[in-house]
Amino acid sequence: QKEVEQDPGPLSVPEGAIVSLNCTYSNSAFQYFMWYRQYSRKGPELLMYTYSSGNKEDGRFTAQVDKSSKYISLFIRDSQPSDSATYLCAIVRGSARQLTFGSGTQLTVLP
Amino acid sequence: GAVVSQHPSRVICKSGTSVKIECRSLDFQATTMFWYRQFPKQSLMLMATSNEGSKATYEQGVEKDKFLINHASLTLSTLTVTSAHPEDSSFYICSAMGGRSEAFFGQGTRLTVV
Repeated sequence: QKEVEQDPGPLSVPEGAIVSLNCTYSNSAFQYFMWYRQYSRKGPELLMYTYSSGNKEDGRFTAQVDKSSKYISLFIRDSQPSDSATYLCAIVRGSARQLTFGSGTQLTVLP
Repeated sequence: GAVVSQHPSRVICKSGTSVKIECRSLDFQATTMFWYRQFPKQSLMLMATSNEGSKATYEQGVEKDKFLINHASLTLSTLTVTSAHPEDSSFYICSAMGGRSEAFFGQGTRLTVV
């Protein structure tokens, strides 16, 4: 079983829609969860990270962790064409704080 | 956020030659640096973890003699792809981590071996 699995998409939504991106993870010991955005041929950039469970909000973005179901989500409100990118969830593991990434969901927001 | 500079952004080399990729943390000291490889439309796969002044730890299946990693200072790590072959063509990305649980990524290097 993979440590983290992500809905592969691709996902296409109209501008202004609410986007829901989801991942599941296998090890209940994981505590830190990250969401990265990656534009084509660029390195990933950190959007948000959460520790343990609950919600975290930053502007139009909300990250949510449900530890009981080992489920992490990223919600994007009022989506914009500039949000079109690949979104990667990641878990932080080990004392070296290595990242294990999900497969990524390619999102297209249509104007 | 902190800045990580990766160079070169693109490189084309002949089969059998070696290529060096640099990763620099510009405004913080990176005690740990990570090297990833990404194939088209796939996720990032961790290749190795390096701590300043010590040998890198490679993930299972990654040839350490082929992918040489040096982390000689708190701001610089290098990845050298030795005796490159066309199957080594990929997108290589580094990330650097200082004292926080947050890794900052370079912009990636697209390697094409012809």
